[in-house]
Amino acid sequence: DIVMTQSPDSLAVSLGERATINCKSSQTVLHSSTNKDCLGWYQQKPGQPPKLLIYWTSIRHSGVPDRFSGSGSGTEFTLTISSLQAEDVAAYYCQQHCSTPLTFGGGTKVEIK
Amino acid sequence: EVQLVESGGGLVQPGGSLRLSCVASGFTFSTYWMGWVRQAPGKGLEWVANIKHEGGEKYYVDSVKGRFTISRGNAMNSLYLQMNTLRAEDTAVYYCARVLAGASLFDFWGQGTLVTVSS
Repeated sequence: DIVMTQSPDSLAVSLGERATINCKSSQTVLHSSTNKDCLGWYQQKPGQPPKLLIYWTSIRHSGVPDRFSGSGSGTEFTLTISSLQAEDVAAYYCQQHCSTPLTFGGGTKVEIK
Repeated sequence: EVQLVESGGGLVQPGGSLRLSCVASGFTFSTYWMGWVRQAPGKGLEWVANIKHEGGEKYYVDSVKGRFTISRGNAMNSLYLQMNTLRAEDTAVYYCARVLAGASLFDFWGQGTLVTVSS
């Protein structure tokens, strides 16, 4: 199984500042057919289901603001919120979508400093 | 508008069974893979199972293999999860989710239904 490890567990960022969340996979998540890294990101606000933000490492899902961006390759990936807004307070999860079992990172909670 | 509405959760004793249902609307259900993802109270997300469009392929996390069965009724736009021999560690909110076309991620989620396994 591919183990996904996120860091930090939580972070506090001032409004308008950058937030960076890291995700590391225990093995490469390169999709053989597409030659793309199969890594996605979700946002989950308290009491709500997750929402898909990013897939194939860097493609924003429909309707996701462009302050959210994904990057990385191989085994190390990053979700960046370029200018934190109050509505971005949430938990964020990475997920590898290369192979079953599909696996998620443990989550990172983002708060306002 | 895509909507997924789960039902069937509740309190069940260890060793018991429960069947979750999810009714989909707002998209052509029969053309999408579907899945179940769970979240234990205060914990992270755990993928449970996926099923292909016509139901011919199914995949499970090891911890539920042999106990849970995913199925679907395309005529009824419905997804199901039959859960047998339930354990305390199966306690979680269970989400029904649509699989993004071309990638095994989940692009739309239901609100979830809580399953509590306790005596």
